Amino acid sequence: IAGITQAPTSQILAAGRRMTLRCTQDMRHNAMYWYRQDLGLGLRLIHYSNTAGTTGKGEVPDGYSVSRANTDDFPLTLASAVPSQTSVYFCASSDRNTGELFFGEGSRLTVL
Amino acid sequence: GQNIDQPTEMTATEGAIVQINCTYQTSGFNGLFWYQQHAGEAPTFLSYNVLDGLEEKGRFSSFLSRSKGYSYLLLKELQMKDSASYLCAVRDSNYQLIWGAGTKLIIKP
Repeated sequence: IAGITQAPTSQILAAGRRMTLRCTQDMRHNAMYWYRQDLGLGLRLIHYSNTAGTTGKGEVPDGYSVSRANTDDFPLTLASAVPSQTSVYFCASSDRNTGELFFGEGSRLTVL
Repeated sequence: GQNIDQPTEMTATEGAIVQINCTYQTSGFNGLFWYQQHAGEAPTFLSYNVLDGLEEKGRFSSFLSRSKGYSYLLLKELQMKDSASYLCAVRDSNYQLIWGAGTKLIIKP
């Protein structure tokens, strides 16, 4: 059982470059999320999708975009990376009945 | 604004009991979650409370008082592998999760 798969697990990126973080789930969950986690701060929601074809902005959406073409995939794109986007990014999906979140292993992104 | 407060760090001894507190102020309440996160890993689900009272699951228990905006996670018979961060999260009226910054628990032999 794979659950949620994120790629890449780690990436160093030059400022100004475009980057897409991939996220795939095999649990057929409708809702998916992208969070960033920074030292001393709680998980902060970037974007979410309640179902395929729909997306919404979270707490810190600026500089990021998402798409949800199908149930399984929810990529996060940084159009022009900046150093403040250095963070660990977690993709998650949630069970409709319990609301429990299942997380991917995270993508550590460093923007220089 | 919405706010989740929990201690930044706690230290406990192997075999002992530790209580991690979480207080919250959110726009509405639709449940409270506790997650465990080992260093360098993803958070994993521990417990969910939506009604007042204590939920017990093995060595871990979680308590909720909605009137006080308060929860705690109780860990018994501490093991070295319990060294991790413990994250409190509240689901608000829009069914969005609001996360605390996490409590880093250090277990000493």
